[in-house]
Amino acid sequence: DVRLVESGGDLVQPGRSLTLSCSASGFDFAKNAVTWVRQAPGAGLEWVGLIRSNTYGATTEYATSVKGRFTFSRDDSKSVAYLQMDSLRTEDTAVYYCSSIRYFEQWGQGTRVTVSS
Amino acid sequence: DIQMTQSPSAISASVGDRVTITCRASQGINNYLAWFQQKPGKVPRRLIYGTFTLERGVPSRFSGSGSGTEFTLTISSLLRDDFATYYCLQHNDYPWTFGQGTTVE
Repeated sequence: DVRLVESGGDLVQPGRSLTLSCSASGFDFAKNAVTWVRQAPGAGLEWVGLIRSNTYGATTEYATSVKGRFTFSRDDSKSVAYLQMDSLRTEDTAVYYCSSIRYFEQWGQGTRVTVSS
Repeated sequence: DIQMTQSPSAISASVGDRVTITCRASQGINNYLAWFQQKPGKVPRRLIYGTFTLERGVPSRFSGSGSGTEFTLTISSLLRDDFATYYCLQHNDYPWTFGQGTTVE
């Protein structure tokens, strides 16, 4: 079965850091970009960014709201993508989804991040 | 950043109705426009990409159209299963941006 599973969501204080993981199975993870999308409570979808496959240098793109604070990476040997979030703000509170295969064909179930003092 | 504006924000509709949702981009996006459906408590699902192309398994009652800066998602005859929130996404320029969503209720 094709699967993506996010993990690492937690309650953190503003200004702190957190790293999310997106574990893939059932498809050729190394050949696919990984996209991150978040959804604040009661709000719409927000594109966070993506990391391309290593074929394209694992280059990254970020939303303006997270650029300079969030960093994507990937470990194809483990079929895992990471989202490192630094200098967290209360407005980063959301469910974070990863998706892959033609960017959006497969989604994880999401992991919740709450930024609060 | 390209701004995506959906209208209306909510639609009150009944089974069998024809439903149209509009998405306007703040600049041209070369038809790099996708539509997503999200049901409450569920993961989003891409319905359409490249303005017109249905994802595998998406019923033919869904269709997409448009060009330039104005795009539409049409549900030809609404089924109970279609009550959800719909989002457009431009994937022409980085950063990609979603519309604010349209709830069909």
